[in-house]
Amino acid sequence: QVQLVESGGGVVQPGRSLRLSCAASGFTFSSYGMHWVRQAPGRGLEWVAFISYDGSKKYYADSVKGRFTISRDNSKNTIWLQMNSLRAEDTAVYYCAKGSTGGNFDYWGQGTLVTVSS
Amino acid sequence: NFMLTQSQSVSESPGKTVTISCTGSSGSIASNYVQWYQQRPGSAPTTVIFEDNQRPSGVPDRFSGSIDNSSNSASLTISGLKTEDEADYYCQSYDSSNPHWVFGGGTKLTVL
Repeated sequence: QVQLVESGGGVVQPGRSLRLSCAASGFTFSSYGMHWVRQAPGRGLEWVAFISYDGSKKYYADSVKGRFTISRDNSKNTIWLQMNSLRAEDTAVYYCAKGSTGGNFDYWGQGTLVTVSS
Repeated sequence: NFMLTQSQSVSESPGKTVTISCTGSSGSIASNYVQWYQQRPGSAPTTVIFEDNQRPSGVPDRFSGSIDNSSNSASLTISGLKTEDEADYYCQSYDSSNPHWVFGGGTKLTVL
């Protein structure tokens, strides 16, 4: 069965960096695009970033463009989200999600909490 | 930028039918597939409808999705409501003009 396991969340000061990881299993990882989606406390879902199956295409939400970088290693079945210049408004649960051909997110991880606070 | 708008909350009684709407801001909502996700408190979202009207295996046929071109909106209908359906529901689609994936703001469904 498909499993997505995020890690790397924690408390970080504004302006600092953090790197999230998502380890995937149960499907042919190298065939699918992957996403990061976040949810601020008490708020709705916000798409953050996408990376294509081979890493050649990367797209970002305007709110994180220039600060966050998505990457992947198909030999490790893992994606990462490098988050720099963190702001209080980046505080959220970050979910890793598997993309599907129809443009939806068909499997989600359990999420990892990032808190940006001094 | 393409946006999806949902009403904030809806409530209905067990056994009844409820419809949650999702309106596209511009262009045709039918241009890209619409998905619906259910999120219970403290849990990750799960898909209840994908590609406008398809149900993943394991999702009961009480859940159905549709598109209305005349109102540029998508709808999620849940019939025979159960207390376990109480959750937040999010619509989602894709903005192909500026490759972005878009969520509606979510609708809180209360079953009482």
